[in-house]
Amino acid sequence: DTGVSQDPRHKITKRGQNVTFRCDPISEHNRLYWYRQTLGQGPEFLTYFQNEAQLEKSRLLSDRFSAERPKGSFSTLEIQRTEQGDSAMYLCASSSTGSGTNEKLFFGSGTQLSVL
Amino acid sequence: AQSVTQLGSHVSVSEGALVLLRCNYSSSVPPYLFWYVQYPNQGLQLLLKYTSAATLVKGINGFEAEFKKSETSFHLTKPSAHMRDAAEYFCAVSDNSWGKLQFGAGTQVVVTP
Repeated sequence: DTGVSQDPRHKITKRGQNVTFRCDPISEHNRLYWYRQTLGQGPEFLTYFQNEAQLEKSRLLSDRFSAERPKGSFSTLEIQRTEQGDSAMYLCASSSTGSGTNEKLFFGSGTQLSVL
Repeated sequence: AQSVTQLGSHVSVSEGALVLLRCNYSSSVPPYLFWYVQYPNQGLQLLLKYTSAATLVKGINGFEAEFKKSETSFHLTKPSAHMRDAAEYFCAVSDNSWGKLQFGAGTQVVVTP
């Protein structure tokens, strides 16, 4: 168990550019989540996958945001035409359905995005 | 809809003193409640969770939290603070059994010698 891995740790980009972040969950975990955390706030839920199926994406902040998990393993989060307001820490978490209730989420260390 | 309010964005405690972090929630259904801790440059880590089995929940590192339905509270305590407890603590609520959590804004804990 190597934990949830996120890449890159830091990303600096210019306004209007596209960025993509990668998340590798714990290998046996079938659920994967993306959260966003801005300074002084707690994490905010964005979207969720069970295996390769994206089961909830209503919280994705705009149509500039998209996420994929094509083979039910790693996931990518893409932001198109970045804006300064997109600057935040993007967190990935994974969990296993296991016995069912009250799943324990394992979080990665996040990708810090700075849009100049 | 659910929400979480954490009272106090910063708390300073002396080493060996009681740690008390306050969390109040609102939920239209019986909630699942969690405390997570974030150490510098590390991912969020689950401290404890309330599953309705018992109102007093014990977690890792000597922390515990008590669910009080009448007060809609889930305060986190530790009898004796240690330097390694310096971190940011987040209370979270969910109305379902999977991982869509509503987090509070967090409380930064500083431990002084």
